[in-house]
Amino acid sequence: DAEITQSPRHKITETGRQVTLACHQTWNHNNMFWYRQDLGHGLRLIHYSYGVHDTNKGEVSDGYSVSRSNTEDLPLTLESAASSQTSVYFCASSGDPTGNVREQFFGPGTRLTVL
Amino acid sequence: QKEVEQDPGPLSVPEGAIVSLNCTYSNSAFQYFMWYRQYSRKGPELLMYTYSSGNKEDGRFTAQVDKSSKYISLFIRDSQPSDSATYLCAMRSHDYKLSFGAGTTVTVRA
Repeated sequence: DAEITQSPRHKITETGRQVTLACHQTWNHNNMFWYRQDLGHGLRLIHYSYGVHDTNKGEVSDGYSVSRSNTEDLPLTLESAASSQTSVYFCASSGDPTGNVREQFFGPGTRLTVL
Repeated sequence: QKEVEQDPGPLSVPEGAIVSLNCTYSNSAFQYFMWYRQYSRKGPELLMYTYSSGNKEDGRFTAQVDKSSKYISLFIRDSQPSDSATYLCAMRSHDYKLSFGAGTTVTVRA
């Protein structure tokens, strides 16, 4: 069955370290998204991609970067982790080859703690 | 001011009650309206999807969209303990990016 996976599921790191969160989908979706979820804020968009080599900034992109070298993967990098980036991170994808973009499918999330 | 406003609750109701959730929004370009359900420590899952104004019913769930008032609602009839979750409204224009509300945490007491 097609799915979207994230790794690691839990991560503890120190301030200033570079961290990369992985996202892999087997839906063959064109669109991929990274969100962070914090209490009281819902899901906020960090970066998104509409295809290979396409990346765009979301509303909370400072301190984060992404690259899209293939259809299946969109890794999220925290260049220099800060305590304010402690959060739960969700990856999502949408847009199958038939053009159906009705639903975003979400991964299980990565819980990141920056000490 | 946030683009999408949703009362975070929490909301606690007895089993069998009607749950009423709502969101307001400010962007008149939004055309597609969704409700996602998120269980604790899980990713959100699509519950209801509506295009433009009107009502949509799916079993015990009814979604309403009033674009003139920029207001959307979700009703859960005959609520069950298994409905206990966080409900997030989401919406978008013809772009594929979603704007989410803060989410309302609902507990249905047995």
